[in-house]
Amino acid sequence: EAGVTQFPSHSVIEKGQTVTLRCDPISGHDNLYWYRRVMGKEIKFLLHFVKESKQDESGMPNNRFLAERTGGTYSTLKVQPAELEDSGVYFCASSQDLATWSYNEQFFGPGTRLTVL
Amino acid sequence: GENVEQHPSTLSVQEGDSAVIKCTYSDSASNYFPWYKQELGKRPQLIIDIRSNVGEKKDQRIAVTLNKTAKHFSLHITETQPEDSAVYFCAAPKGGSNYKLTFGKGTLLTVNP
Repeated sequence: EAGVTQFPSHSVIEKGQTVTLRCDPISGHDNLYWYRRVMGKEIKFLLHFVKESKQDESGMPNNRFLAERTGGTYSTLKVQPAELEDSGVYFCASSQDLATWSYNEQFFGPGTRLTVL
Repeated sequence: GENVEQHPSTLSVQEGDSAVIKCTYSDSASNYFPWYKQELGKRPQLIIDIRSNVGEKKDQRIAVTLNKTAKHFSLHITETQPEDSAVYFCAAPKGGSNYKLTFGKGTLLTVNP
């Protein structure tokens, strides 16, 4: 079974440019999450999709970040315009259906390392 | 919201020794505690998790203990091997949710042969 995949693996852009990150979850996983790890800090939750719907986007830093999941399959995370502080590793994860008060393992992708110069 | 503190940030041990990584959390509603291992250049992978209805869980050389009263949980690795070298992250769900994980800052474990 293929795991969560992310593209690109690395991206180097200049301040003010736009970047779009892509995540393909494990087939059949309705839940998709975006996380970010800034250098030396913790992995921080950004948002959660259930199928194509945004369930929780409380972790999105500001309105320069836009996540979509059209059709409930792959997801994109766009940063426009990028700022220096957006540099970090962006992880995507997916999990199976969540029954109330149960926990399902979140499977992580390899991450996209974004560098904003 | 949930706050997760993880210690130490780095840990170096000799092969065969034990390693212990500790985490504390703030939200008493949290009841699921996963540990992830991230090898260099690879993705974080779940290695063990514990739910709040048990105090300890073991899987071969890896064990996790949970003290809900004190709000801390620990990862124990016995008979460490060089392939255990990685960054380890603890996590707890935010605000009683069953999906929004708050992670610790990570512990870089180095096992010296």
